[in-house]
Amino acid sequence: AQSVTQLGSHVSVSEGALVLLRCNYSSSVPPYLFWYVQYPNQGLQLLLKYTTGATLVKGINGFEAEFKKSETSFHLTKPSAHMSDAAEYFCAVRRGEGNQGGKLIFGQGTELSVKP
Amino acid sequence: KAGVTQTPRYLIKTRGQQVTLSCSPISGHRSVSWYQQTPGQGLQFLFEYFSETQRNKGNFPGRFSGRQFSNSRSEMNVSTLELGDSALYLCASSLAERARISNYGYTFGSGTRLTVV
Repeated sequence: AQSVTQLGSHVSVSEGALVLLRCNYSSSVPPYLFWYVQYPNQGLQLLLKYTTGATLVKGINGFEAEFKKSETSFHLTKPSAHMSDAAEYFCAVRRGEGNQGGKLIFGQGTELSVKP
Repeated sequence: KAGVTQTPRYLIKTRGQQVTLSCSPISGHRSVSWYQQTPGQGLQFLFEYFSETQRNKGNFPGRFSGRQFSNSRSEMNVSTLELGDSALYLCASSLAERARISNYGYTFGSGTRLTVV
């Protein structure tokens, strides 16, 4: 079975500081990995995804994530936080084979607060 | 290009009633998935439709059902509503292909906030 664990349900950083949101997954096959962001009363917006190829993935709004197979991790980073980054972030995994269709398995989410 | 459109945005229903939610995917997307989001359980997969066929189903009771039309628009229905069905219901569309996992991402709508009283 596949699962996703996000370490820390709430992370607080100062504006301009490094953002690091942690995600570990379990999967018996090569995973497809995603990070989504959710602003209050909104749906989910895709930040970035890893399917195959380069393990360092760049996304929107200055975010990036690195797929580390040996550590089963896919942590999300941003060098300098902005106030507008305050939101909830979700890591998700999907199987990379078989006719599993569009089932995403989400972590519990990490709420990011940015202090002025 | 229009995004994923979900209607209505908000609904208030009484226990025992039924409700139908609608989702219009991005033009050209044939895969539509539904998710339930609650504070306690987080985001949980309900089902996925591809070309009018249910391709995948989550672990929800039979009160939850859905369908997809020939234009890829999808509806989900919840019958005999319970208080625990109060949630944000999210729809996502994708350029998924028929016979294999694609590496496309999923575009989510803004959701329908259902409150059961």
